[in-house]
Amino acid sequence: QKEVEQNSGPLSVPEGAIASLNCTYSDRVSQSFFWYRQYSGKSPELIMSIYSNGDKEDGRFTAQLNKASQYVSLLIRDSQPSDSATYLCAVANAGNNRKLIWGLGTSLAVNP
Amino acid sequence: DVKVTQSSRYLVKRTGEKVFLECVQDMDHENMFWYRQDPGLGLRLIYFSYDVKMKEKGDIPEGYSVSREKKERFSLILESASTNQTSMYLCASRSFSGTGLYEQYFGPGTRLTVT
Repeated sequence: QKEVEQNSGPLSVPEGAIASLNCTYSDRVSQSFFWYRQYSGKSPELIMSIYSNGDKEDGRFTAQLNKASQYVSLLIRDSQPSDSATYLCAVANAGNNRKLIWGLGTSLAVNP
Repeated sequence: DVKVTQSSRYLVKRTGEKVFLECVQDMDHENMFWYRQDPGLGLRLIYFSYDVKMKEKGDIPEGYSVSREKKERFSLILESASTNQTSMYLCASRSFSGTGLYEQYFGPGTRLTVT
């Protein structure tokens, strides 16, 4: 059973701090990796995607991928109360259909 | 911007009713998906479609069917609604981003309650 695991949290950080969210996956041949943000009662919103080892930055968000260790992380710099949400990690399998395998999400609370 | 719309935000139906959930995307995406999301269980794939008139079962297809007659529209059908189908239903469509990634975008969701 291919799995994606996330710490459920809640992860609590003060406003202005760096929030670090982690995700591990079991399928070694996974090829692409995604972070979604989901506010309570809303649908998931794609915020980062990555497929190469290393870092990818977009504004205050940085995705980090380490395929050898099978983990992907999301760093949120200068965290704001509006970043309080659940963050879902998703991993695409290596087959032609590239179905996403989803983690259960990490709840982040940014305290003013 | 990618636009995925769903026919209803909230829906209340009775046990045994046939329920239609509609999803429309305006970006000419080939791939479309139906998920349900429940607390503690996360996102679970019900059905997906690679192209018009093509469909494949996901992880939990029992009690559901789908229809894709046009590229932009993907419908989920609950043949005979049951209370255990009370859930948030999420439609998604997917594009190839050109950087080697298939990026999936969600509609706003339909919260279905079956009484």
